[in-house]
Amino acid sequence: QSVLTQPPSVSGAPGQKVTISCTGSSSNLGAGYGVHWYQVLPGTAPKLLIFDNTNRHSGVPDRFSGSRSGTSASLAITGLQADDEAEYYCQSYDSSLSGSHVFGTGTKVTVL
Amino acid sequence: QVQLQESGPGLVQPSQTLSLSCTVSGGFVSSGNYYWSWIRRPAGKALEWIGRIFANGDTKYNPSLKSRVTISVDTSRNQFSLKMISVTATDTAMYYCARDLGPVINPDNWFEPWGQGILVTVSS
Repeated sequence: QSVLTQPPSVSGAPGQKVTISCTGSSSNLGAGYGVHWYQVLPGTAPKLLIFDNTNRHSGVPDRFSGSRSGTSASLAITGLQADDEAEYYCQSYDSSLSGSHVFGTGTKVTVL
Repeated sequence: QVQLQESGPGLVQPSQTLSLSCTVSGGFVSSGNYYWSWIRRPAGKALEWIGRIFANGDTKYNPSLKSRVTISVDTSRNQFSLKMISVTATDTAMYYCARDLGPVINPDNWFEPWGQGILVTVSS
């Protein structure tokens, strides 16, 4: 179902940097549509981290940053902390099949 | 600040209709500045956008669910609702309502805030 592909899992030690990729196609990221990122902690609703590719939502630490290039986007987390352990999803818009918001496959970040 | 709260039955029998409501506080669904969306997350699976509605009743649905889903708005109760017919076990999921944020004319908006979610189980 998901048209945006993310790695199932990434891990890092406290203080390290991890990067999560989000790969799309010509009908979504390749068409220039914005990418947004969410954090899902266990038992809680998704929380907006990054909107419009690179903009941090209010209150989000600058340890979180977003970037994009062509049909791909990335979320970087620097200075990894224990409470960063969560699932992360990218989201965009896909113009195929009359258009739809689409989410990535999701990435579990584990802090070692 | 705007807050959203989902409500409805937590258990639905197979082949029946799932009905959920989302109550908006701290803002108005009739403001005309936002779309309002439903999103779900089956256990162990990814988030899936279901559809959205504007204050004037304009709707857009995920093509994969369009044949079974209806989203409506009740401005007098400051609510918007989701109906999904002919449910099966694969519709078991956490269901969230959320506000689409960003310029209304843009299709690639993001979601903020979200409701806390409601778990709906499809089982007899």
